[in-house]
Amino acid sequence: DQQVKQNSPSLSVQEGRISILNCDYTNSMFDYFLWYKKYPAEGPTFLISISSIKDKNEDGRFTVFLNKSAKHLSLHIVPSQPGDSAVYFCAAKSSGANSKLTFGKGITLSVRP
Amino acid sequence: EAGVVQSPRYKIIEKKQPVAFWCNPISGHNTLYWYLQNLGQGPELLIRYENEEAVDDSQLPKDRFSAERLKGVDSTLKIQPAELGDSAVYLCASSLQSMSLEQYFGPGTRLTVT
Repeated sequence: DQQVKQNSPSLSVQEGRISILNCDYTNSMFDYFLWYKKYPAEGPTFLISISSIKDKNEDGRFTVFLNKSAKHLSLHIVPSQPGDSAVYFCAAKSSGANSKLTFGKGITLSVRP
Repeated sequence: EAGVVQSPRYKIIEKKQPVAFWCNPISGHNTLYWYLQNLGQGPELLIRYENEEAVDDSQLPKDRFSAERLKGVDSTLKIQPAELGDSAVYLCASSLQSMSLEQYFGPGTRLTVT
């Protein structure tokens, strides 16, 4: 069973506009949620995170929103830039001794110049 | 500061052959992870090391996969024998400690089993 779901495989937006990437989860015990970004032939790189006790975290052009009641989070990128074109993975961290990251399938973002 | 280094970057082998992947984490990072990434999927944890100790290997298929992290630095992941379904990208990551949110990933080794 997939505990972290990214249901849209791809998203295309115009440069300068907002990109909204969505993620849903099923496990209420996750204590942190993260977004990783991946360029071709490179490993994923950490982008931004949010604690389960927060509802918003902002870092420059990137903002993550968390809706715990809906078990949903989203990453907003504004304004979008061509260099943002990449695969974005939503991940969730479980607490406890065997803490680990559970990743979604990823969404490919294309920002058109 | 050098990132996580993995080699080889690409490997093509025939089924039933053995294969090994090598990872050198970021200096000072005590925690090392091996992930499997199938096509169109996110990374899935295979094993996590704290220094030289494997603290979570619950997802490692132990009949054919093995890993070691001698001296708590470099690590090797081995598959013997490889099967067609093992074709994937094998990612190594490291972090300062196990509770760190940020993991630093290497570029991965793309394995093709024919």
